[in-house]
This record gives sequence, C-alpha cells and structure tokens, in this order.
Amino acid sequence: GIQVEQSPPDLILQEGANSTLRCNFSDSVNNLQWFHQNPWGQLINLFYIPSGTKQNGRLSATTVATERYSLLYISSSQTTDSGVYFCAGTTGTASKLTFGTGTRLQVTL
Amino acid sequence: SAVISQKPSRDICQRGTSLTIQCQVDSQVTMMFWYRQQPGQSLTLIATANQGSEATYESGFVIDKFPISRPNLTFSTLTVSNMSPEDSSIYLCSVEKGRGGFDTEAFFGQGTRLTVV
Repeated sequence: GIQVEQSPPDLILQEGANSTLRCNFSDSVNNLQWFHQNPWGQLINLFYIPSGTKQNGRLSATTVATERYSLLYISSSQTTDSGVYFCAGTTGTASKLTFGTGTRLQVTL
Repeated sequence: SAVISQKPSRDICQRGTSLTIQCQVDSQVTMMFWYRQQPGQSLTLIATANQGSEATYESGFVIDKFPISRPNLTFSTLTVSNMSPEDSSIYLCSVEKGRGGFDTEAFFGQGTRLTVV
C-alpha cells in the first residue's frame, strides 16, 4: 500500500515562531487533507487540498501533486497550535484514508 | 461539512468486558468508517460500514473482535469485545462528504479514548 511520511516527527517552537511541516507520498493520492489532533484526541479538519495553495488565517498549505508532497505552514505560532498534525489521502477509487506518521508540535511560551 | 456525535468520549474498562461506541451523523451518508489510534501512533482503518450489508474489515481486524452495526444511514456502532490492555486506544468514526465528481472530504467524530485495565 501507499506510504505517507511526515517530517519532522517532533517539533518544539517558541510562541510567535513560524514552521513548515512536510508530507511525502509514495504514490499519487487523491483527496489530500491536513488535520490537527488536539490534546483531547479530536481531529480537526484544516485543509482539503489535493493540489494548489490555500490559506486560512495563520495557516496555509501547498500541495504539489505531480511531485507527491504537501506542505503545511504555520505562522506566528500560538500555544493552542500544539498537538499532532496529520496529512492523509486516498488512492485510486478507494474511499479509505491513509494517514501519515504525524508531526507532534509543542508551542511554548 | 458533517457534524458527528460520538460517545462515550472516554471510558475505563475491565479486561474481558466489551464496550460499544456509538456514532451519530447529522445527515445521511452511504459509508461510515471506524479507525483506531494506538498510543503515540497514527490512525489505522478498522472497517467500513455500509447500511444494509456486512461491514468490510481491513487486514488484521476481525468481526468477532470488532462487531459493527449500521442500522440506518445516520448511525453506526463499533463494539470492542473481550478487551485486553492492548485495546487501549482512541477509536474514531468518520464519514465522507462529496466535493464534486469523485472527490470526497473526511470528517471525524470527537473520538473515544478507551483504557483497559
């Protein structure tokens, strides 16, 4: 099956710093999404981004489908950004999501 | 989008017992998905539940351990049977909503944090 690698696996930032999270796919994916899992375990939808660039406040994402990667940018990080960030996508006509390995982010004061 | 209500949000259970997790969606959906997230790990699909048919299980998951019900187009349950400490995980239900053509976007319930002692 498809492999989804995320980097870095762990990241510690001081509040106000910027960061870039990366997601690499071993094969072409459809329906690429980014999620934030908060400390309570809930998955929050951040972006649906099979290609191109989108921005939502301090967050933006870019997917280069032809090169099988996606980037999530976090600017002016806040402590509430802490948690685990996952990318995920589907392959072919399948509906099931394959999740990446995750990036655990901790934002400190 | 989709609003998904999942309960319980957390539970502590004795080994050997079973727990049933409920998932309610605010609109009719064809498929509902159940995922497991073991501590410190990513999410893994357990099974896909279609209304009116048997659930489809992924490799490594069996119906006897994780029976699923799908009585209608807005509701599903997952039971974790004969629990052991290795079943301690977050369990999440998910649905997909169409975005045009064959494109779909996934939405998740709040998750159930299960601890087996």
